[in-house]
Amino acid sequence: NAGVTQTPKFRILKIGQSMTLQCTQDMNHNYMYWYRQDPGMGLKLIYYSVGAGITDKGEVPNGYNVSRSTTEDFPLRLELAAPSQTSVYFCASSYSGYQPQHFGDGTRLSIL
Amino acid sequence: QKEVEQDPGPLSVPEGAIVSLNCTYSNSAFQYFMWYRQYSRKGPELLMYTYSSGNKEDGRFTAQVDKSSKYISLFIRDSQPSDSATYLCAMTRDTGNQFYFGTGTSLTVIP
Repeated sequence: NAGVTQTPKFRILKIGQSMTLQCTQDMNHNYMYWYRQDPGMGLKLIYYSVGAGITDKGEVPNGYNVSRSTTEDFPLRLELAAPSQTSVYFCASSYSGYQPQHFGDGTRLSIL
Repeated sequence: QKEVEQDPGPLSVPEGAIVSLNCTYSNSAFQYFMWYRQYSRKGPELLMYTYSSGNKEDGRFTAQVDKSSKYISLFIRDSQPSDSATYLCAMTRDTGNQFYFGTGTSLTVIP
């Protein structure tokens, strides 16, 4: 059972480049989330989705975009990469808003 | 004031010790409480999930919630080197779409 799968695992970008972080889940969960985790700062919510076609901003959405065209996939888009976006990005999913979230193993992104 | 406060540690204990990890929170509407374990270079994995106040036990792990004090704890009995990880608390309301996470406590169990 794959759970939540994130690709790529590692990536180095130059300032101003764009990229899409991929996330897919096979648990038929309605809710999906994107977090970033910086040392000593915990998990900060970027965007979340409560179902296909519905997305909403979290705590730190600036510089990111998302879409949710299917239940399984929730890609995160960086349009103009900035050094402040260097972080570890985690995707998670859950059946509902109060059920436990299941996490992928993260994408480690460095912007130079 | 942060919604959830968690002492970052680091915490270092000898193998076999009882470990106590704690979080405090400010929002009395939180009803669901979780503990996650995160190994280095991995995503958080769920350890315990509880609703409202009380205790829940699973093997060597016990989760405790005291809503009157806005305080939750995770106890690890007979700690093992494999328990060395960062432990994150999380919580949410019953009508919430978002979880609120602590910053994590780093634990090392020394053989």
